[in-house]
Amino acid sequence: DQQVKQNSPSLSVQEGRISILNCDYTNSMFDYFLWYKKYPAEGPTFLISISSIKDKNEDGRFTVFLNKSAKHLSLHIVPSQPGDSAVYFCAASGGGTSYGKLTFGQGTILTVHP
Amino acid sequence: ETGVTQTPRHLVMGMTNKKSLKCEQHLGHNAMYWYKQSAKKPLELMFVYNFKEQTENNSVPSRFSPECPNSSHLFLHLHTLQPEDSALYLCASSQVVASGGGEQFFGPGTRLTVL
Repeated sequence: DQQVKQNSPSLSVQEGRISILNCDYTNSMFDYFLWYKKYPAEGPTFLISISSIKDKNEDGRFTVFLNKSAKHLSLHIVPSQPGDSAVYFCAASGGGTSYGKLTFGQGTILTVHP
Repeated sequence: ETGVTQTPRHLVMGMTNKKSLKCEQHLGHNAMYWYKQSAKKPLELMFVYNFKEQTENNSVPSRFSPECPNSSHLFLHLHTLQPEDSALYLCASSQVVASGGGEQFFGPGTRLTVL
């Protein structure tokens, strides 16, 4: 049973436009959410996170939105750049003594065209 | 060296071989993790170590044996693997957190192929 789902395997966007990556989760105990970016032949790199006490967190071109009632989060990238082309993973943690255990989605491949 | 390093980057082994994957973190963290990423699947947590103690074993077969001699080093000993164990094995580290929170820093991974 996959507790974190990214239902879009891929997304293609024009440079300068907005990229919106979506993630849904089923475990209501999750209280911290993260987005990671992964280039080929590299490990995932932390991008941005949000605690369940917030509904929005912004860092430069990246904004994460959390809708707890819908168990949904999204990552907005504005404006998108060709260097943003990568695989994006959402991850969630929480639920007591989880010691930072992360549950990952299956990833969305973002391609930003010049 | 900075961040999280993993060796080797690529490994091909037969089903009867014994090999080890090594991970080292230079971040002063006290939690370390092994993940497995198979094709078209999410990253799967395998093991968690906090202050050298194993706190999570995510129902991993005994042919995978982790070792954490100190907070900076983590090993994954492999023996009698199956072809379906072929995957990217990622190591990560973080500060220990009580629950939730805390970003993990990943190494580049070891691409394992079992023949």
